[in-house]
Amino acid sequence: EPEVTQTPSHQVTQMGQEVILRCVPISNHLYFYWYRQILGQKVEFLVSFYNNEISEKSEIFDDQFSVERPDGSNFTLKIRSTKLEDSAMYFCASSEASGSSFEQFFGPGTRLTVL
Amino acid sequence: GQSLEQPSEVTAVEGAIVQINCTYQTSGFYGLSWYQQHDGGAPTFLSYNGLDGLEETGRFSSFLSRSDSYGYLLLQELQMKDSASYFCAVRDSGAGSYQLTFGKGTKLSVIP
Repeated sequence: EPEVTQTPSHQVTQMGQEVILRCVPISNHLYFYWYRQILGQKVEFLVSFYNNEISEKSEIFDDQFSVERPDGSNFTLKIRSTKLEDSAMYFCASSEASGSSFEQFFGPGTRLTVL
Repeated sequence: GQSLEQPSEVTAVEGAIVQINCTYQTSGFYGLSWYQQHDGGAPTFLSYNGLDGLEETGRFSSFLSRSDSYGYLLLQELQMKDSASYFCAVRDSGAGSYQLTFGKGTKLSVIP
């Protein structure tokens, strides 16, 4: 069964460093998303991406964040200068272009720890 | 602003039925989804309601009343493996984006 994959599973970084989180969405999906979940809290939307551009972004997704689809399979989230409060689980998700359920398939997540 | 309210914790006995309610206030509404998340795991899609009424998928059912801004997830014949957090999520944007706004989650504990 196709699935979303994410690497690395755990990333530890120093405050102020840049990190890149990588995702491989399901191959025939056209909508891609990043969410984050601070430990013990709800899942929060960051950004959605379609047709090689950002379609929606939340207030959390400020100038420190960027997304890219560098090739036909990868989808990346970059945080330019990490802050302590960026420590969270980051989930990538993808969905089909059509369909009535609007089901989003989530990857296993990358746990980011900023020291 | 967006807000979704659901109980923080629910405990139920194995084999029983449990209902997890969700009320929402969002600027737009295109449907209500439910996701399951085990500790340390990723959210997994359970169901979606775009129209009023009941949707059934095996042991799980979900209900929506758009006029009441209310929905619920019904889990029947509870099993120990159903112990997890359950999130309602609203699709609150129109064409071009299907972002989800999640509730804070309900932690379900199934006891023998």
